[in-house]
Amino acid sequence: AQTVTQSQPEMSVQEAETVTLSCTYDTSENNYYLFWYKQPPSRQMILVIRQEAYKQQNATENRFSVNFQKAAKSFSLKISDSQLGDTAMYFCAFMKTPGGATNKLIFGTGTLLAVQP
Amino acid sequence: GAGVSQSPRYKVAKRGQDVALRCDPISGHVSLFWYQQALGQGPEFLTYFQNEAQLDKSGLPSDRFFAERPEGSVSTLKIQRTQQEDSAVYLCASSDRQSSYNSPLHFGNGTRLTVT
Repeated sequence: AQTVTQSQPEMSVQEAETVTLSCTYDTSENNYYLFWYKQPPSRQMILVIRQEAYKQQNATENRFSVNFQKAAKSFSLKISDSQLGDTAMYFCAFMKTPGGATNKLIFGTGTLLAVQP
Repeated sequence: GAGVSQSPRYKVAKRGQDVALRCDPISGHVSLFWYQQALGQGPEFLTYFQNEAQLDKSGLPSDRFFAERPEGSVSTLKIQRTQQEDSAVYLCASSDRQSSYNSPLHFGNGTRLTVT
């Protein structure tokens, strides 16, 4: 079975600075997808960034980038130039590649990020 | 609508009551998922539909939980004889085909269920 671990329950960063959120996972699969979702107080899960395991290059989306270390099963999220609107819960998630009937997401327990003015 | 819509947004039920939670996915979306998110936790998978077919219900915690999607669009999650441990946010998500990297899930705002 796959598991996702986020070891930082809470993080704090000053506005305009950079912060890194950690995520590790366990799987015996060779190919899979990894995601970071943001959940603001509205409760809606918003996709931040995604990575395919077979791609060596780390994904980037504007101020968001990942450090994907497949051998170490690590998938950290870096947020540059932090903004007040980045304050939210951040969830790391794992998905097996298509082939089975269900492509469900397996989530970590989340990291609450507070951006301080 | 433009997004996934869930109703009600909040539901308070007395222990033992039955509840029904509704999800309106994005029009035309084939895949629909229900997740349960306990306080301070990440969402956990409950069940999955592809059109009207319930292909996976392995995450439903007990036989008090039942989900349906009779016409392949709107879905209802029903919980019978609610217990305090059922208190959680119930999230619905949909995608336009089998959920994957290129067809990521779109989530609703969830229903917060409180059982007293």
